[in-house]
Amino acid sequence: GAGVSQTPSNKVTEKGKYVELRCDPISGHTALYWYRQSLGQGPEFLIYFQGTGAADDSGLPNDRFFAVRPEGSVSTLKIQRTERGDSAVYLCASSLTGVDGYTFGSGTRLTVV
Amino acid sequence: AQSVSQHNHHVILSEAASLELGCNYSYGGTVNLFWYVQYPGQHLQLLLKYFSGDPLVKGIKGFEAEFIKSKFSFNLRKPSVQWSDTAEYFCAVNPALSFGGYNKLIFGAGTRLAVHP
Repeated sequence: GAGVSQTPSNKVTEKGKYVELRCDPISGHTALYWYRQSLGQGPEFLIYFQGTGAADDSGLPNDRFFAVRPEGSVSTLKIQRTERGDSAVYLCASSLTGVDGYTFGSGTRLTVV
Repeated sequence: AQSVSQHNHHVILSEAASLELGCNYSYGGTVNLFWYVQYPGQHLQLLLKYFSGDPLVKGIKGFEAEFIKSKFSFNLRKPSVQWSDTAEYFCAVNPALSFGGYNKLIFGAGTRLAVHP
């Protein structure tokens, strides 16, 4: 597609539930990134994929968070046993080389109630 | 700790005023530097970037930024702001990896700019 697509745009879930957030990057972009942005903060790095593999997952806050990119294009961020502190905008970005700057999606606003 | 600092969290200007937003980083090695902008209700967009060469970089919409290596700074400037520049601005650093290549962008906390007509 023309840009990075993220679905859903908004997600409200109850504490303790499981959620999946989807990212469809720009076609041909091998690098894919997940970030989390809390109110009043800059985007915080979560995980980076180069192709199908996670090249750096050092930003995942704990083992409730997991992400996959099985075919090297679409990626899914999975959050188990959601907590109210997980509420944030989850951003996905893709890049052709990883060096030339990223193209961001519009994000998924996750609200845990 | 390695970080990116944006000194001003909120800036309010009148149209035609000059703008300078500060950005400092604490990475010691080679870095690529970026400014992103987020207009109300829109996604993050790249404003400009610096990799090497001329430390004065020109971006879209009349913005420019100057890389001062000795000060670890990459400040954003615009000589005359417009109401349409109202947005949040993020500085970001892409540090080189010790074994070569680059990895992830590290963002500052952002500066919210409001321009009044």
